[in-house]
Amino acid sequence: AQKITQTQPGMFVQEKEAVTLDCTYDTSDQSYGLFWYKQPSSGEMIFLIYQGSYDEQNATEGRYSLNFQKARKSANLVISASQLGDSAMYFCAMRERARMDSSYKLIFGSGTRLLVRP
Amino acid sequence: AAGVIQSPRHLIKEKRETATLKCYPIPRHDTVYWYQQGPGQDPQFLISFYEKMQSDKGSIPDRFSAQQFSDYHSELNMSSLELGDSALYFCASSPSPFSGNTIYFGEGSWLTVV
Repeated sequence: AQKITQTQPGMFVQEKEAVTLDCTYDTSDQSYGLFWYKQPSSGEMIFLIYQGSYDEQNATEGRYSLNFQKARKSANLVISASQLGDSAMYFCAMRERARMDSSYKLIFGSGTRLLVRP
Repeated sequence: AAGVIQSPRHLIKEKRETATLKCYPIPRHDTVYWYQQGPGQDPQFLISFYEKMQSDKGSIPDRFSAQQFSDYHSELNMSSLELGDSALYFCASSPSPFSGNTIYFGEGSWLTVV
């Protein structure tokens, strides 16, 4: 079974600094996708960034980048120039397919709560 | 841009009552997913639909049922509510369940069972 592990329950970062949120995964699939979502205290789940297993370049979206190390099975999220509004829960997720003929769904890690200090 | 719309945003029900949550996917998205997120937990997959048919099923209680309608909106029906059903319920949509590189979530529906 596929699994996502986020080992940092909580992290602090100083405003304007960069921060890395760790994510490791376990899968036997050759083709897979990794996602990061942000969940502020209001509850909505905001899509940040996606990395496909065959993508040769690390994904970037504005201040978000994904440090994808396939051999280590890690997909860490890097947030540059942290802002106070970045304080939230961050979830790493992976596409999972239950059967060869089934559709994909997401499985989530346990999340990392990030607090940005002024 | 249009996003996934969920209603109601907040719902308070008593034990043993019934609740219905609605989800309107992003236009031209034919796949809908339902997730349940308990307090302090990560989202857990409940069920998904593709082209109005059930596509996959997760840890959805037998007391819950769901369907996708001809206009692709979906409803999650929860009966005989229990205190443990109190959670944030997400609907997500994607253009296809088979490529899965764009999955967008709604703002969620907060269900409180008292």
